[in-house]
Amino acid sequence: AQTVTQSQPEMSVQEAETVTLSCTYDTSESDYYLFWYKQPPSRQMILVIRQEAYKQQNATENRFSVNFQKAAKSFSLKISDSQLGDAAMYFCAYRSSYSGAGSYQLTFGKGTKLSVIP
Amino acid sequence: EPEVTQTPSHQVTQMGQEVILRCVPISNHLYFYWYRQILGQKVEFLVSFYNNEISEKSEIFDDQFSVERPDGSNFTLKIRSTKLEDSAMYFCASRQLQKLFFGSGTQLSVL
Repeated sequence: AQTVTQSQPEMSVQEAETVTLSCTYDTSESDYYLFWYKQPPSRQMILVIRQEAYKQQNATENRFSVNFQKAAKSFSLKISDSQLGDAAMYFCAYRSSYSGAGSYQLTFGKGTKLSVIP
Repeated sequence: EPEVTQTPSHQVTQMGQEVILRCVPISNHLYFYWYRQILGQKVEFLVSFYNNEISEKSEIFDDQFSVERPDGSNFTLKIRSTKLEDSAMYFCASRQLQKLFFGSGTQLSVL
């Protein structure tokens, strides 16, 4: 079974600075997807960024980028130019590529609470 | 942007009672899901639903749970006889292509 570990329960960053959130995972599969989700106080889970394991290039979405190290099974999220609106819970998640078409079973980490200091 | 809507946002019930959690997925989505998060623990997959039937379920999703799409818009999760350990945040989600859209959740408290 796959597991996802986020070792930082809480992090803080000064506004406009850069912060990196860590995520490691364990799997025996070679093809899979990795995600970062954001959960602000509104509680809605919002997709931040997605990475396919077969792609060597790290995914980027505006101020958000990942450092995907497949051999090390590491998937960290870097937030540049942090804004007050980035304050939220961030979840790392894994999905197997071998699931059926209808399946979308995500395995989540426990989350990292990010605070942004003005 | 279209959203997944969940009602109610909070539900309090007595142990042994039945509860129905309601979700309105995004209108042109075909795949629907329920996840839950017990306080302080990980978000866990419960069930996936496609073409009016369950396509996958986890060990958590036992006979006390059922899902239904009673009409063209709603997607419900029923817990037949609630237990204290069912207290959690329940998230509905719907999917288009490879993107999953979550609702804001229903906080269920079982007393």
